[in-house]
Amino acid sequence: DVKVTQSSRYLVKRTGEKVFLECVQDMDHENMFWYRQDPGLGLRLIYFSYDVKMKEKGDIPEGYSVSREKKERFSLILESASTNQTSMYLCGTGTLQGGAYNEQFFGPGTRLTVL
Amino acid sequence: GENVEQHPSTLSVQEGDSAVIKCTYSDSASNYFPWYKQELGKRPQLIIDIRSNVGEKKDQRIAVTLNKTAKHFSLHITETQPEDSAVYFCAATDSWGKLQFGAGTQVVVTP
Repeated sequence: DVKVTQSSRYLVKRTGEKVFLECVQDMDHENMFWYRQDPGLGLRLIYFSYDVKMKEKGDIPEGYSVSREKKERFSLILESASTNQTSMYLCGTGTLQGGAYNEQFFGPGTRLTVL
Repeated sequence: GENVEQHPSTLSVQEGDSAVIKCTYSDSASNYFPWYKQELGKRPQLIIDIRSNVGEKKDQRIAVTLNKTAKHFSLHITETQPEDSAVYFCAATDSWGKLQFGAGTQVVVTP
């Protein structure tokens, strides 16, 4: 059974603070993703990683950075939090088999509020 | 890049009726189309998926159809039940294999 965990369910930060969100998976998946979810906009990809030390920008990377030092761990960093980064953040993991992408599994989400 | 549009944004159905959600995509190279269900306060979970070499797939009360020529795919839920109430997301892979999600459909099944 795939287990994807995120470091916090709820987080409240102040404008300008540095924020770390961490995702850990136990399925040895090579692919990991960070999304933000906002009403009416679906899930939008912030950053993704295909392997350790690798990172690629998604659709909305501005204001975010990521780190993947170990295969099972993918961190999202908000260098200087702003109110427009108040959102639900979801981590996803997945794998590639035989050249085909398979199901992505999601963490429980972190509801971040920036005051 | 890939763009996925999903309709309707909300769908209200009577228990026992069918529900249909439609999505279109723009990247002809897309080859994997999953559907996720997200209940209130919970994480999205895969309910069914289809690959580009298949036109239709069914799993009990849920079915998905894919029209590659027209670049659209649909989710069909038959004999809806109150527990089907949730937000449903369609998605399509882009040429990099990343998932692009639709905006979601809020389905409400009324008894």
